Amino acid sequence: GENVEQHPSTLSVQEGDSAVIKCTYSDSASNYFPWYKQELGKGPQLIIDIRSNVGEKKDQRIAVTLNKTAKHFSLHITETQPEDSAVYFCAASTRGGGADGLTFGKGTHLIIQP
Amino acid sequence: DSGVTQTPKHLITATGQRVTLRCSPRSGDLSVYWYQQSLDQGLQFLIQYYNGEERAKGNILERFSAQQFPDLHSELNLSSLELGDSALYFCASSVGPAPEQYFGPGTRLTVT
Repeated sequence: GENVEQHPSTLSVQEGDSAVIKCTYSDSASNYFPWYKQELGKGPQLIIDIRSNVGEKKDQRIAVTLNKTAKHFSLHITETQPEDSAVYFCAASTRGGGADGLTFGKGTHLIIQP
Repeated sequence: DSGVTQTPKHLITATGQRVTLRCSPRSGDLSVYWYQQSLDQGLQFLIQYYNGEERAKGNILERFSAQQFPDLHSELNLSSLELGDSALYFCASSVGPAPEQYFGPGTRLTVT
């Protein structure tokens, strides 16, 4: 089955700096890659996603890039703010049509230092 | 607020017991997914239902079962509970054809 590796496990950046979280996946059939943000005591919140026919997607301060050949994708957060502090999860799905569960990475604890 | 609701928020029970977790999907969503989140295993997909039918199975134990009712709410049944079943259980929903999944606030299960 699919395996998703996520790095780093903890990332500390100064407020205003950029943060990058990287993930690799194993199944070349995977075609949908969402990113979730989870705050303490809450459920994961979908923040951005990308499909395999797209190389990059941007939404305000966050962007995701996908390299299908290398089977890796990354989350980029620019101009980080204190409210960006949370655990971020990448995930992959082999059937982007919704008929499949997501395989998640182990998560990255992002700490924004004031 | 994702629009997905889960009850109860917390559940404390003893080993060997059986519990039922409930999930109501977002209005209009036909798919419901169940996930387990624990410190050692991370977020793991358990099972998916689409419009009342089982659609996909993940790492769900035989002691666990789920169903989706005609009004589209879903229940996850956990039986013969063990200490290792203590975890957060999340429900997510999606429209069905679209892959975007929206998570509920979760149920924290503690088995003592």
